[in-house]
Amino acid sequence: EVQLLQSGGDLVQPGGSLRLSCAASEVTYTSRAMFWVRQAPGKGLEWVSSINYDGSDTYYADPVKGRFTISRDNSKETLYLQMDSLRVEDTAVYFCARGPWSDAGGWFELWGQGTLVTVSS
Amino acid sequence: EIVLTQSPATLSLSPGERATLSCRASHSVSTFLAWYQQKPGQAPRLLLYDASNRAPGIPARFRGSGSGTDFTLTISSLEPEDFAVYFCQQRYNWPPLTFGGGTKVEIK
Repeated sequence: EVQLLQSGGDLVQPGGSLRLSCAASEVTYTSRAMFWVRQAPGKGLEWVSSINYDGSDTYYADPVKGRFTISRDNSKETLYLQMDSLRVEDTAVYFCARGPWSDAGGWFELWGQGTLVTVSS
Repeated sequence: EIVLTQSPATLSLSPGERATLSCRASHSVSTFLAWYQQKPGQAPRLLLYDASNRAPGIPARFRGSGSGTDFTLTISSLEPEDFAVYFCQQRYNWPPLTFGGGTKVEIK
């Protein structure tokens, strides 16, 4: 069964940093775009960032631009989200997701289980 | 940015009834719209993509329709496991990829 296994969520102080990971258990990972989507407590879904199949194209939502960095290591079939200068409003469950094709747009075909990031002093 | 507005916010129905959920876009998204189902404590699950194509494993009771700015998700006969929150999402004009605010289908 294809899975995306997430790790890295934690409690962090405002201004701090955190790195999330998302490990894929399938060979098609290296040919697909990947995404991060977040959901604040009791709220809806918000797209955070996209990366194409080889990491050459990346995109960010305005609220995280300049603070978050998406990357991937295809040799390890792992996606990352480096989160710097964290703010209270970044508190959310973060999901990784796989796209249907190689470029960074699309829909979210397969989802990780989610990991909670809490930013609080 | 394309804004997606879902209605109603909450739909109270009984098992076996038909559910009709709406998603309206602020500008045309052609048919580049997807629908997701999310249950409490779980990740969302893709139901439909490009307005009307069911994702693998999705039952035929889930049907999507629409184009341009108006879209509908219809669940023909609600099963107990269908009570959840449903989100629409567009990929026509991005970044950003945007979601609607969600419709909660609850048991009446």
